[in-house]
Order: sequence, then structure tokens, then C-alpha cells
Amino acid sequence: QKEVEQDPGPLSVPEGAIVSLNCTYSNSAFQYFMWYRQYSRKGPELLMYTYSSGNKEDGRFTAQVDKSSKYISLFIRDSQPSDSATYLCAMRAHDDYKLSFGAGTTVTVRA
Amino acid sequence: SAVISQKPSRDICQRGTSLTIQCQVDSQVTMMFWYRQQPGQSLTLIATANQGSEATYESGFVIDKFPISRPNLTFSTLTVSNMSPEDSSIYLCSVEAGPMNTEAFFGQGTRLTVV
Repeated sequence: QKEVEQDPGPLSVPEGAIVSLNCTYSNSAFQYFMWYRQYSRKGPELLMYTYSSGNKEDGRFTAQVDKSSKYISLFIRDSQPSDSATYLCAMRAHDDYKLSFGAGTTVTVRA
Repeated sequence: SAVISQKPSRDICQRGTSLTIQCQVDSQVTMMFWYRQQPGQSLTLIATANQGSEATYESGFVIDKFPISRPNLTFSTLTVSNMSPEDSSIYLCSVEAGPMNTEAFFGQGTRLTVV
């Protein structure tokens, strides 16, 4: 079993829809949770960063962490064609610099 | 945040040759990380580079194949040696930054094709 599970998709939604992405993990020591957006032929870009449990909102993006269920989510509201990309979740423990990544979910927003 | 410049952005190389990838950060950082991302795959950590010490390699990666230099706190290089087509991949440089140095930032990557 992988340490971080993420459905690779692909996920296709119409413009304006809500995109819902999620990851599950097995290591209860994970404390820092990140979501990255990666456009084709580009490096990952940090979108959201969350420490421990709770919600965080930044514009159209909302990140949620439920440590009791070992489950994290990213929601994109009012999705745009420019949101079409691969989204990667990543996480790490407090005393470990190593990141564990999900496989990435490819999202296409149709105009 | 941190701004990371990585060169070259892409290259096509002959098998048996070596390629050195450069990574420059706009601020001093303690650790720099090198990742590989094979086609359609997620990121795999190759090694961690600290200034003034030998790099620490992850299981499956060795120094002879992926020598790393870290001459100062803003710069690192990764060399892919004696390349084969299986080395075709995206190679990414990463650093930790942010208020608690727990946010990971990435360069734009080097897309390597070995023919």
C-alpha cells in the first residue's frame, strides 16, 4: 500500500463547475499538507499549504485536512480552463524533511 | 517563497554521455533537494544536498550515477552520468522556504531525453 493515495483521474469538468480533489494517507505523523499545480512541461507550483487539521481558503481554492480520517481535499470553485493541470498532494511529518507525494490528478476544465 | 532557476530547461543527449543540471535559488537555504519525475509518474526524491557535506541519497540512487555538488547556500548541481534511455525524465530542484521553512518550492524542471 502506498503511503499517499491519490486518484490519477483524469477528471473533466465544464467551466464554472466545482473541482473536488482528494488524497488519503496512512502515516499519522504527517502534519504539513500541500497541494501543487503542475502544468504540462513545468515544475510543480505550490498552491495551498496547511498545517495540521482544518480548512484554508485562498480565492477560489479551499484546502481541507481531516487528520482523524487521514484525508485531505482541495476544492476549486468557479473552475476556469486555465485550471487545467495536474494537481499533486504532498505531505510530511513534523520532524522529517522528506515529502510524500500522491500520484497526481489530471484535471481538464472544458470551456 | 523562493524563486528557483534551473538550467537547462530541456536537453536531448546521446546515451553514454553526462549532463549537469544547475539550480540557483534567490535566497540562502540549508537543504536543496533533487527529484525525478518519470513520464506520467509522481515525484521521486533522488538526494538531499547540504552545503559543505556529502549529499544523502535515497534508496535506488547512487553517487556514481547522480553526483551532486553544493558549493554554497544558493546553488547546486546534479549530474546524470553515463546516461541510458531509462534516464529520460524530468529532473527537479526543490528547496524549503516560508515562515517555518516547511513549504517546498520547485524549479521549472529539466526535461531530459536520452537517445
